[in-house]
Amino acid sequence: KNQVEQSPQSLIILEGKNCTLQCNYTVSPFSNLRWYKQDTGRGPVSLTIMTFSENTKSNGRYTATLDADTKQSSLHITASQLSDSASYICVVSAVGTYKYIFGTGTRLKVLA
Amino acid sequence: DAGVTQSPTHLIKTRGQQVTLRCSPISGHKSVSWYQQVLGQGPQFIFQYYEKEERGRGNFPDRFSARQFPNYSSELNVNALLLGDSALYLCASSLQGRETQYFGPGTRLLVL
Repeated sequence: KNQVEQSPQSLIILEGKNCTLQCNYTVSPFSNLRWYKQDTGRGPVSLTIMTFSENTKSNGRYTATLDADTKQSSLHITASQLSDSASYICVVSAVGTYKYIFGTGTRLKVLA
Repeated sequence: DAGVTQSPTHLIKTRGQQVTLRCSPISGHKSVSWYQQVLGQGPQFIFQYYEKEERGRGNFPDRFSARQFPNYSSELNVNALLLGDSALYLCASSLQGRETQYFGPGTRLLVL
């Protein structure tokens, strides 16, 4: 069964600190992996998208990594800001399908 | 340019009723996808449409149906509403379906 699991479920950090969110997937055959940021009550916003051949991709203070062999991805947030408080969702799609498998997300809270 | 728009923003229905949700994609986008997001969980894929044809369907009962119009806008219909249908319904558009999806703000449906 195609699944996407994220950890931790929730995370609290102080402003200015770094953090890393994890995503493990069993989706096969793998097509691409995306990280989204979702503010409460709003639709998700794309942060990064990576295909099989890409190991890392950055978007400002956000850096995503992908290990297609172990089927793991991480999202690293550098020098966190209060506005980073949101849910971060990992999404994986399989080759030959238009179905996107969403993880349950990591809820991040950045405190002043 | 306007982003993805959805209407209505909020909706309250009672069990057994029917509901129609609407989505207008970003100008030039020909693909629309629908997702259900229950509180505290990640979005679940319902449908994807491209050029008015259904290209993908998630694990939802036949009470859920959708269509796409010649102007690429889309409607999601849910019949015989159940309490468990209460959720945020998200619409996402993309150029052809496999690229980055841009999400709308969602329609929050409450079934009493």
